[in-house]
Amino acid sequence: AQSVTQPDIHITVSEGASLELRCNYSYGATPYLFWYVQSPGQGLQLLLKYFSGDTLVQGIKGFEAEFKRSQSSFNLRKPSVHWSDAAEYFCAVGILTGGGNKLTFGTGTQLKVEL
Amino acid sequence: DTGVSQDPRHKITKRGQNVTFRCDPISEHNRLYWYRQTLGQGPEFLTYFQNEAQLEKSRLLSDRFSAERPKGSFSTLEIQRTEQGDSAMYLCASSLAWQGPGYTFGSGTRLTVV
Repeated sequence: AQSVTQPDIHITVSEGASLELRCNYSYGATPYLFWYVQSPGQGLQLLLKYFSGDTLVQGIKGFEAEFKRSQSSFNLRKPSVHWSDAAEYFCAVGILTGGGNKLTFGTGTQLKVEL
Repeated sequence: DTGVSQDPRHKITKRGQNVTFRCDPISEHNRLYWYRQTLGQGPEFLTYFQNEAQLEKSRLLSDRFSAERPKGSFSTLEIQRTEQGDSAMYLCASSLAWQGPGYTFGSGTRLTVV
């Protein structure tokens, strides 16, 4: 069965500093990979996704992620964090099942930004 | 495109009561998904529909839960005889069948069972 591990429960960075959130997945085939962001009490917003092709994926709000098959990782990065980036970030792996699509999420990383 | 709409945003209910949530997907999307998110966890898949057909249900969806999507448009999720463990955020998402994994989520319904 597929699984996603986000090893960092909480991360604190200073505004303007760079950010990297880690994500490792377990899945037997080529994965579909996603990063979502969730502000308190809100739903999930898609930041970026990887299906195939270029392993460096650009997303919204200046985020990017790199797919590394050898490390089973899909880490999220941002060169300069803004205070408004404080939120919870979820990595997910998508699979096709019975004609449909399911996402398996990690437990999330809570990002705090210090001014 | 008005996005995925969920109603209500918040629901507080007493244990043992029944509750129903509604999800309106993006208008042309034929697939609709329900997820549940408990505090400190990522969302977990509950069920999904293609048009009006419910094609898969998670074992998380006990007999007290039922979901419908009449006419393949909006969907409802009903929980009967609510328990405190049902307290969670219930998220709806929709997509097009050919789109592959990944879809648009609504803002969710936060259920608190007291």
